[in-house]
Amino acid sequence: DAGVTQSPTHLIKTRGQHVTLRCSPISGHKSVSWYQQVLGQGPQFIFQYYEKEERGRGNFPDRFSARQFPNYSSELNVNALLLGDSALYLCASSLGFFQGLNTEAFFGQGTRLTVV
Amino acid sequence: KQEVTQIPAALSVPEGENLVLNCSFTDSAIYNLQWFRQDPGKGLTSLLLIQSSQREQTSGRLNASLDKSSGRSTLYIAASQPGDSATYLCAVRVSKGKLIFGQGTELSVKP
Repeated sequence: DAGVTQSPTHLIKTRGQHVTLRCSPISGHKSVSWYQQVLGQGPQFIFQYYEKEERGRGNFPDRFSARQFPNYSSELNVNALLLGDSALYLCASSLGFFQGLNTEAFFGQGTRLTVV
Repeated sequence: KQEVTQIPAALSVPEGENLVLNCSFTDSAIYNLQWFRQDPGKGLTSLLLIQSSQREQTSGRLNASLDKSSGRSTLYIAASQPGDSATYLCAVRVSKGKLIFGQGTELSVKP
């Protein structure tokens, strides 16, 4: 069975540009979350989507946006890139949203974004 | 505000040793706690999930405990192997959607 897949794996962008990161959840999973991990730190929560609706948002500027499609895949968009946006962006999927084992998070391999 | 702390930040042990990684959190109002492993430059691999009503979970050589009242969890690794070398992260779920992570413990198991 395929796990969580993210694309691209690596990306180099220039300050001020826009970037789109993609995530396909595990088959049957309806919830997708996005996290940013700066080198040497734990991941920081950016967004969660469940059944195509935003269910949670972390403390990130409005330059960050996301959406979930009818097939439950998701995109994370970042506008007006800054050097500080350089990080590993992780996508996690889970079966559900409400409680119990349904919320166990499974992560993809991440997208390494470098802003120069 | 929920904060998660992991101690130690780094640990080096000889192969075969049993070891304990610690995770503490400041607010006991959690849905569950999850332990992950992360290899350098890679994503996170889920190791164990403990529901807030549970005390421990076991998988192979791994055993995780949870004491909500004291805000602590431990990950016990038995008979460590060089292949266990990685960064171990704990995370608490504080709302239905959000995980809050610690900084991780970087483990090195020497042959």
